[in-house]
Amino acid sequence: DIQMTQSPSSLSASVGDRVTITCQASQDISNKLNWYQQKPGKAPKFLIYDASNLETGVPSRFSGSGSGTDFTFTISSLQPEDFATYYCQQFDNLPRTFGQGTRVDIK
Amino acid sequence: EVQLVDSGGGLVQPGGSLRLSCAASGFTFSSYWMSWVRQAPGKGLEWVANIKQDGSETYYVDSVKGRFTISRDNGKNSLYLQMTSLRAEDTAVYYCARGGNNFRFWGQGTPVTVSS
Repeated sequence: DIQMTQSPSSLSASVGDRVTITCQASQDISNKLNWYQQKPGKAPKFLIYDASNLETGVPSRFSGSGSGTDFTFTISSLQPEDFATYYCQQFDNLPRTFGQGTRVDIK
Repeated sequence: EVQLVDSGGGLVQPGGSLRLSCAASGFTFSSYWMSWVRQAPGKGLEWVANIKQDGSETYYVDSVKGRFTISRDNGKNSLYLQMTSLRAEDTAVYYCARGGNNFRFWGQGTPVTVSS
């Protein structure tokens, strides 16, 4: 199975901050990586596909980059509604696997 | 508008069975792979299974192989997860999701608790 390792596991930030989360795959997955946002008690929301493509309707302050084994997710200017947990997910191989999540909370 | 509505969760004893359902609307159900993803209390997301458009291919995470069966009824726009020999570690919220690679749309989740 492909292991997905996110860092950090949690972070505290203020509104307006730039936030960066990394995701490392245990083997080369090309660009077969997605990012999701999840708020407490809610289903995940699909944000970014194929490592760097923004899903329709998702604000442009969200972005993703990377290929191979190392990926980055960035929020350019954190907004109050962005406090949530973020997950990466690979779809290069079965089983599909997620990172352990990065919780972003208010400083 | 794409809608996925999960149902069928509940409290079940270890070794018991449960059948989850997901009712789909707002898109051509028969054109998409479908998946189940679960989330144990306070934990991250875990992909469980997926099924091809016509049901001819199914895949499972190792921990549920031989115990869970994913199926679909394209005439009823419905996805199912038959769960047997349930264990405490299967306790989670179960979500259906559209897609086999990218999970663009999700149900609201249905909680399953395995406990005596």
